[in-house]
Amino acid sequence: GDSVTQMEGPVTLSEEAFLTINCTYTATGYPSLFWYVQYPGEGLQLLLKATKADDKGSNKGFEATYRKETTSFHLEKGSVQVSDSAVYFCALLYNFNKFYFGSGTKLNVKP
Amino acid sequence: SAVISQKPSRDICQRGTSLTIQCQVDSQVTMMFWYRQQPGQSLTLIATANQGSEATYESGFVIDKFPISRPNLTFSTLTVSNMSPEDSSIYLCSVGGESNEQFFGPGTRLTVL
Repeated sequence: GDSVTQMEGPVTLSEEAFLTINCTYTATGYPSLFWYVQYPGEGLQLLLKATKADDKGSNKGFEATYRKETTSFHLEKGSVQVSDSAVYFCALLYNFNKFYFGSGTKLNVKP
Repeated sequence: SAVISQKPSRDICQRGTSLTIQCQVDSQVTMMFWYRQQPGQSLTLIATANQGSEATYESGFVIDKFPISRPNLTFSTLTVSNMSPEDSSIYLCSVGGESNEQFFGPGTRLTVL
């Protein structure tokens, strides 16, 4: 069945470091892919998305490219800030309106 | 994107009791969903709340335990019935967007003693 696998956290970085959070998926067909972010004590916010192969989603300095050949959707940011500390979820859309979420990766950014 | 509110934001309940969580959206939406996020875990879809008909439950979730109402296109409730400590979780409602994304409410943090 469809599934999403994320790298385990926590990931601890210093401010201005480069961030990569790996996400791979298993799916029949060509799902849409998403990254959501959950700040402490809050609900999930949509960070970015990509709907087809080679699409690049971007928002707030974060980017992810839909790679069909490697079934991946890795999240990257060139220079993280303390305010980026949160839990990041990779998600796959299946069956038109249902999501599979990855297990989440906690990011801690130190000043 | 839609603005979604949930009530209560958090609650502490005794085992054996029930809690009803409300989800209000600032615009009419076709699709509404309820998720559970157990401590330190990812999100699991409980059910799709259908306006004017019974909710559609995912495997492992049943109507007797999690009755859902959807009286109109802007409102839904989820009840957690006969609670046990294992029901301690964050419960989130979400709505479908125009491009198949989902937007989430702030969540209800439930602790069952």
